Amino acid sequence: NAGVTQTPKFQVLKTGQSMTLQCAQDMNHEYMSWYRQDPGMGLRLIHYSVGAGITDQGEVPNGYNVSRSTTEDFPLRLLSAAPSQTSVYFCASSGFSYGYTFGSGTRLTVV
Amino acid sequence: GQQVMQIPQYQHVQEGEDFTTYCNSSTTLSNIQWYKQRPGGHPVFLIQLVKSGEVKKQKRLTFQFGEAKKNSSLHITATQTTDVGTYFCAGPRNQGGKLIFGQGTELSVKP
Repeated sequence: NAGVTQTPKFQVLKTGQSMTLQCAQDMNHEYMSWYRQDPGMGLRLIHYSVGAGITDQGEVPNGYNVSRSTTEDFPLRLLSAAPSQTSVYFCASSGFSYGYTFGSGTRLTVV
Repeated sequence: GQQVMQIPQYQHVQEGEDFTTYCNSSTTLSNIQWYKQRPGGHPVFLIQLVKSGEVKKQKRLTFQFGEAKKNSSLHITATQTTDVGTYFCAGPRNQGGKLIFGQGTELSVKP
């Protein structure tokens, strides 16, 4: 099993550009989440999903959209990139009442 | 809203010394999870505690869940250089799938 796969691993965007961070899991997990990690801020929840067709906002959802059309995929869309969105983004998935499995992360720089 | 606070933010120890990180929630948690993130890596699930007063051990690591299910601790006995990294606690907010992380404790170990 590949686990949780995130692409790309690195990305540089110009302010105002849009892009999609891809996340796929092959463990048939119900729960999927997106986190961003900034120095000294820990992991902050952006959006999460408890199943296909169901998404909800986390702690810092502004500027991001998600959808969950299948169990496997949970893409994160940046609508209009801003320098404040420079961060490391982690996608994670879990089954019910289990710990999360994290992807290897996407390092995003917005200039 | 629910917050998960973790202290200390940093801890520097000599190899062989013990280490403890503490996690406190403003609300009662149904469970608490612990993760480890090595420098440059992604968070890795260590353990989940569910029961009031629960204590679990993994080799030199001891995890405790408070009687009121509002606090937790991770204790490492006789630290080794392989213990270096950031340790996070995390608790679910409301329903499952929405996992909120503490800010983490960064552990450095001097050989």
